[in-house]
Amino acid sequence: SQQGEEDPQALSIQEGENATMNCSYKTSINNLQWYRQNSGRGLVHLILIRSNEREKHSGRLRVTLDTSKKSSSLLITASRAADTASYFCALNSGGSNYKLTFGKGTLLTVNP
Amino acid sequence: NAGVTQTPKFQVLKTGQSMTLQCAQDMNHEYMSWYRQDPGMGLRLIHYSVGAGITDQGEVPNGYNVSRSTTEDFPLRLLSAAPSQTSVYFCASSKIGTSGANEQYFGPGTRLTVT
Repeated sequence: SQQGEEDPQALSIQEGENATMNCSYKTSINNLQWYRQNSGRGLVHLILIRSNEREKHSGRLRVTLDTSKKSSSLLITASRAADTASYFCALNSGGSNYKLTFGKGTLLTVNP
Repeated sequence: NAGVTQTPKFQVLKTGQSMTLQCAQDMNHEYMSWYRQDPGMGLRLIHYSVGAGITDQGEVPNGYNVSRSTTEDFPLRLLSAAPSQTSVYFCASSKIGTSGANEQYFGPGTRLTVT
């Protein structure tokens, strides 16, 4: 099964700025999900975007999906110090109604 | 709801010892899975289950066994611990959909060190 590749591996910004993380993949997907992991904790689901959707919003989060380019981006607007965490994209590839494959993540640091 | 619970939180084993990592969920989820997380490697799937009595191997199953006798519990057994199994282990669960995977709920993790 394929793994998504997040870019950049690490990102450091100031509070109030926007943060953008990208995820690229190689083969077809049912959906793509984004998760957050605070240091030493379990992962928390943020957003699920299906292959027939192009954009979804949740609070300060905006996710886009471009299936022609096989890529997704996660935008966090007006970032806060509490947004400091690792962010992972997870792929649900075609043919499976349950398995996810996680990328290696982007470490976001928001400086106060 | 307690969600997904894992015990223990921390464990130190000597090479060759065996142990069981416990995972339980109270959300009546059909799908349960175990991942390991190593620095720079992301999460890798060890074993998974789509219901009681049904288990299958993931990406890195060697050295681990699982069973699923109830919907709620999905223990992970290390048969003979090796230093390469030093890692953080996460259990996750989700409902099974009909048009792709649903969101997964994660436990807090077990940090295992094998010396």
